[in-house]
Amino acid sequence: TQLLEQSPQFLSIQEGENLTVYCNSSSVFSSLQWYRQEPGEGPVLLVTVVTGGEVKKLKRLTFQFGDARKDSSLHITAAQPGDTGLYLCAGRIQGAQKLVFGQGTRLTINP
Amino acid sequence: SAVISQKPSRDICQRGTSLTIQCQVDSQVTMMFWYRQQPGQSLTLIATANQGSEATYESGFVIDKFPISRPNLTFSTLTVSNMSPEDSSIYLCSVRSGDYGYTFGSGTRLTVV
Repeated sequence: TQLLEQSPQFLSIQEGENLTVYCNSSSVFSSLQWYRQEPGEGPVLLVTVVTGGEVKKLKRLTFQFGDARKDSSLHITAAQPGDTGLYLCAGRIQGAQKLVFGQGTRLTINP
Repeated sequence: SAVISQKPSRDICQRGTSLTIQCQVDSQVTMMFWYRQQPGQSLTLIATANQGSEATYESGFVIDKFPISRPNLTFSTLTVSNMSPEDSSIYLCSVRSGDYGYTFGSGTRLTVV
């Protein structure tokens, strides 16, 4: 059973289009993070959301944490080929130190 | 944020042998985390390593297969023992960094032949 369900797992779109990636769970998280991983590298933290309903923006990327702190979304506006990569959501369960990861979204932006 | 040096970056090993992966952190940290990332998949936590105590293993992972050392607050090793082709994966270490973030090593790409 996957604690964090991430969707879609694969997404291939044209440059300039918008997209949204979702992470959903039945568990409450004290924080939720989004990472991007390039081939041959470890995941790199993009953002952490902590408060229910929180919205954070990072240039063309918008991250939202659900009101109940059980879900999150990543929205990319006007996607560019440089956005290509593996995007991972990861949640920290309340009272624990460890992270649980979603399945990942392999995003390809075609020129 | 913390900086992690992980080595080796990759290795090709014969089945039945063991490989030890090292992670060095540039600051003292209480916990270090070891993950496995199977080809094309996400990260799965293997164990949490605390200095001065036994590592805590997640379901499906055992100490005999993945022994961990944590001799001090800046260093840890993970050994993949008696390897089989199914152990071919990327292995990553991680530490907490700042209030909420985590920093990852660049990973060890292991191929077992």
